[in-house]
Amino acid sequence: SAVISQKPSRDICQRGTSLTIQCQVDSQVTMMFWYRQQPGQSLTLIATANQGSEATYESGFVIDKFPISRPNLTFSTLTVSNMSPEDSSIYLCSVKLGQVYEQYFGPGTRLTVT
Amino acid sequence: AQSVAQPEDQVNVAEGNPLTVKCTYSVSGNPYLFWYVQYPNRGLQFLLKYITGDNLVKGSYGFEAEFNKSQTSFHLKKPSALVSDSALYFCAVRDNPYSGGGADGLTFGKGTHLIIQP
Repeated sequence: SAVISQKPSRDICQRGTSLTIQCQVDSQVTMMFWYRQQPGQSLTLIATANQGSEATYESGFVIDKFPISRPNLTFSTLTVSNMSPEDSSIYLCSVKLGQVYEQYFGPGTRLTVT
Repeated sequence: AQSVAQPEDQVNVAEGNPLTVKCTYSVSGNPYLFWYVQYPNRGLQFLLKYITGDNLVKGSYGFEAEFNKSQTSFHLKKPSALVSDSALYFCAVRDNPYSGGGADGLTFGKGTHLIIQP
């Protein structure tokens, strides 16, 4: 497995502002993912972040709204831009380790937009 | 497109009784299947997976799951429930990449609240 940390753990933000969420892994990983879990809902994949290339976004998510950086093999950031109350969710990063098929998740960032 | 269905929002079981949390899936090829558990205010924890081989897979905390290809199901089971098993359980799937499946991201079911009553 891997030890994954996220910062901040929670935040309350005003609409129209942006928040950058950090994800740090204790080992080098090729693939990192960002998911959103809206209140009372399941997890939805936002994008796949690969080091050295642009993130791949899922349908319904765009780079202008959720820019992602992946500067190295242990770190990634997700920015939630121009926030609205509908962006209130838990945002989770996950990693896939080598040939292991399962993903391991960070503790999540609970975002509330007022 | 792949999808996962968890037909029960909530499952109630008395402590010591066997439990089953249901999951059915839809993929274009052979599936990779996973179960995760989410405790309150904590991240997702990996429980077990089915990739290939034996249809009965064993995982953490005494949980197991049975893969049934004909019924496209992957139900989570435990012979004797504990109060500490109370949590939110998610089933997830991805297409087998060797059968033409797409990206590595997982598709999750909506989750099932498991409540174990003392």
